[in-house]
Amino acid sequence: GAGVSQTPSNKVTEKGKYVELRCDPISGHTALYWYRQSLGQGPEFLIYFQGTGAADDSGLPNDRFFAVRPEGSVSTLKIQRTERGDSAVYLCASSLSGGELFFGEGSRLTVL
Amino acid sequence: SQELEQSPQSLIVQEGKNLTINCTSSKTLYGLYWYKQKYGEGLIFLMMLQKGGEEKSHEKITAKLDEKKQQSSLHITASQPSHAGIYLCGASKSGNTPLVFGKGTRLSVIA
Repeated sequence: GAGVSQTPSNKVTEKGKYVELRCDPISGHTALYWYRQSLGQGPEFLIYFQGTGAADDSGLPNDRFFAVRPEGSVSTLKIQRTERGDSAVYLCASSLSGGELFFGEGSRLTVL
Repeated sequence: SQELEQSPQSLIVQEGKNLTINCTSSKTLYGLYWYKQKYGEGLIFLMMLQKGGEEKSHEKITAKLDEKKQQSSLHITASQPSHAGIYLCGASKSGNTPLVFGKGTRLSVIA
């Protein structure tokens, strides 16, 4: 596709459940980023991939959060044992290395 | 850690008026990015500034980076309803570090 695609656009789950959020970056973009945005806040960095490897995962809040990018393109953010505090919009962005970030429209996660 | 302070937090202006949004860092920035976000949507890139004293314009929006590369301003001339949204500044410490964002400035433009 022409832009960054994120699925699902909305996800409602119950506390304790497992969730996967998918990001399909712009073709050819080597860098992929995950951010989390809570209401009234700016995006908060979670993890950054350069190719298949996580170049910086310092923003992951705890070990319930994990992300993969096995073939250097699509990435999946995985959240185990979801908590109500995980509710947020999860944004994915991609870029050519070091360049402008192109963002998807986000996946809104609601944990009941 | 690098933090970005944006001011004001929110702004309501009458259509046709000019306005300025500020973004300040306590540390020297490698690159400063301005994005716009509408409710329920992703971030749209506006401009990137990298050199001290740099200024860029696109249509009625002008962004400047100060000489010390610690403060940036975004100026909108003759605001229109289409300018409404959340303006976010983001900055990096180097070319290979992820962007850190401010909390945003919510702009409303009333007719």
